[in-house]
Amino acid sequence: AQSVTQPDIHITVSEGASLELRCNYSYGATPYLFWYVQSPGQGLQLLLKYFSGDTLVQGIKGFEAEFKRSQSSFNLRKPSVHWSDAAEYFCAVERTSYDKVIFGPGTSLSVIP
Amino acid sequence: GAVVSQHPSRVICKSGTSVKIECRSLDFQATTMFWYRQFPKQSLMLMATSNEGSKATYEQGVEKDKFLINHASLTLSTLTVTSAHPEDSSFYICSASGGGHNEQFFGPGTRLTVL
Repeated sequence: AQSVTQPDIHITVSEGASLELRCNYSYGATPYLFWYVQSPGQGLQLLLKYFSGDTLVQGIKGFEAEFKRSQSSFNLRKPSVHWSDAAEYFCAVERTSYDKVIFGPGTSLSVIP
Repeated sequence: GAVVSQHPSRVICKSGTSVKIECRSLDFQATTMFWYRQFPKQSLMLMATSNEGSKATYEQGVEKDKFLINHASLTLSTLTVTSAHPEDSSFYICSASGGGHNEQFFGPGTRLTVL
């Protein structure tokens, strides 16, 4: 069965520091891969997605993610974190179009001024 | 991207009553809609998948008689929480796919509080 792991439950970084959030998935083939962000009490916002092609994906708000097939990973990065980036981040996979999305457990990001 | 709306955004009800939540795809035809539930400080868990005009497919452990899902048209799916109890209090999020889009589009969520 498909599964998504995010090893870091909570991360704290200083404003201006770089950020990397880890995501690993378990699936026989390469699924569609997503990163979402959720602020407290709010819905999901899509940061970026990978379907195929270039393994380095650019997203909104200065985020990028790199797909590494050999490691079954899709880590999210940002070179310089802003206080407004504090939120919950979810990695997600989808087997094919129109299939269900499986979410990882989430990583809570805190930003120190 | 495409837009998915949910109504209401927030609802408070008494224990034992039923609550209906609507999910609409505003600018595309959604052949498939999904319902998720999110408890505080937890991830989203898929409850069911619904295809227009057919019965919903429920995930293991989700009571189909308690969470009634109707997907009567290509732009509307409803989730009815029947005889709601405090443990049903949660954040319910729908998503929709179709219309040639590769990805799903998520609604803003509905916060249900059962007193």
